[in-house]
Amino acid sequence: EDQVTQSPEALRLQEGESSSLNCSYTVSGLRGLFWYRQDPGKGPEFLFTLYSAGEEKEKERLKATLTKKESFLHITAPKPEDSATYLCAVQARDSGYALNFGKGTSLLVTP
Amino acid sequence: NAGVTQTPKFQVLKTGQSMTLQCAQDMNHEYMSWYRQDPGMGLRLIHYSVGAGITDQGEVPNGYNVSRSTTEDFPLRLLSAAPSQTSVYFCATNPRGKNSPLHFGNGTRLTVT
Repeated sequence: EDQVTQSPEALRLQEGESSSLNCSYTVSGLRGLFWYRQDPGKGPEFLFTLYSAGEEKEKERLKATLTKKESFLHITAPKPEDSATYLCAVQARDSGYALNFGKGTSLLVTP
Repeated sequence: NAGVTQTPKFQVLKTGQSMTLQCAQDMNHEYMSWYRQDPGMGLRLIHYSVGAGITDQGEVPNGYNVSRSTTEDFPLRLLSAAPSQTSVYFCATNPRGKNSPLHFGNGTRLTVT
C-alpha cells in the first residue's frame, strides 16, 4: 500500500532561519512526487513536480529534492509570507490520475 | 478565466438532508476530481472523471454520487448526509495528462449536524 508521511507536523521558524520539510514515501513505482502550498481557507496551490531520484527544482526561497525514499522541501531565509501548510503527494504509475497525499506540515514564520 | 469555481463556500445540513456541491472549470480540462480534507488526515479522493460521460470511484466513494454531462461541470451529490461527511471538499482538475499537477478550487466547508 502506498504511504506518504510528512514531518514535522508543525514547524515554527524565525524570519531568515532556514530549514527543511521532509516527505517520506513508499509507492509501487513512482510516476511523480508533487509539492503544494495551502493557505488557510484556500485550496492547495501547486509548487513542484519531481519525477526521478536526484532531481531538484527551485522557486524563489524554496528548493525541492528527491531520493528513492523521500523528498525534502528546503526553505532558505524564510519570510512571514511563507507561512502556510505544505503538502506532499505521490502518484503511482498504476494509479491513473490519483494522488496520495500526506497530512502536511504547518509552517509558521515569525518576524 | 476563473479557473476552478466551487459553490457554495459554506453549507450546514441536517442529518438525512441531500445537497449538491458544484464544481465548474473554464480551462477545458478533461480530468476532474473531488477530494475531502479532514483534520489530521491527508486529502482523500472521492470520485473522479476523465471526460464527459465517464466517472469512477476513488478511495472514499460511499455516500457520494457524481455525474459528468459536460466538460465544464462535475457536481458532487450527497444523497443522505451523515455527520461523518462533515469536511472540506475540494474539486481539482488536470490539464494535460497523468503527470500534470492538479489545479484546486477553494473548497466547500460542509457541516452536518
